[in-house]
Amino acid sequence: QKEVEQNSGPLSVPEGAIASLNCTYSDRGSQSFFWYRQYSGKSPELIMFIYSNGDKEDGRFTAQLNKASQYVSLLIRDSQPSDSATYLCAVSDFGNEKLTFGTGTRLTIIP
Amino acid sequence: DVKVTQSSRYLVKRTGEKVFLECVQDMDHENMFWYRQDPGLGLRLIYFSYDVKMKEKGDIPEGYSVSREKKERFSLILESASTNQTSMYLCASETSGRAVDTQYFGPGTRLTVL
Repeated sequence: QKEVEQNSGPLSVPEGAIASLNCTYSDRGSQSFFWYRQYSGKSPELIMFIYSNGDKEDGRFTAQLNKASQYVSLLIRDSQPSDSATYLCAVSDFGNEKLTFGTGTRLTIIP
Repeated sequence: DVKVTQSSRYLVKRTGEKVFLECVQDMDHENMFWYRQDPGLGLRLIYFSYDVKMKEKGDIPEGYSVSREKKERFSLILESASTNQTSMYLCASETSGRAVDTQYFGPGTRLTVL
């Protein structure tokens, strides 16, 4: 059984600071990694995906992947109150459409 | 923009009732998925489908069945609803054949079984 683990939080970060969200996964065969954001009462929406070791940046968001350590993270720079949400990490095998999700980390940005 | 719609946002049913949850996507996606989401357990895959009339079990298929008669529509069926099926149900769709596929989610159906 594949496992994806996240700290459930809540993680509280002051506005303007960097929020760091972490995720570990058990299956070394995992190839693709996704970060979804889910506002309370809403459905998940994709923020970023990454499949190569290293960093991938998109605006204020940076995904970091370390396959050797089976670790993926999401950094949010210049955190805004609108970033307050639950962040879900998901992984899949290459060419396998099935995603395995973590339970999510609840992030609160404090004004 | 990808649009995934679900037939109801909120649904209340009685134990033993047959329940149909409908999902429609307008992007000609091959793959469709049904998840349930519960506090502390995250998103768990119930069933998925790669093509019309094709279905595969996910991680928690017990007590559920699915139907995909048309490419755009994927239905989740609770044959005899039970209280432990009270949950948020999320449908998702994605295209296939690319190295990295993105799943797009519908708004969800919050089902309460009394």
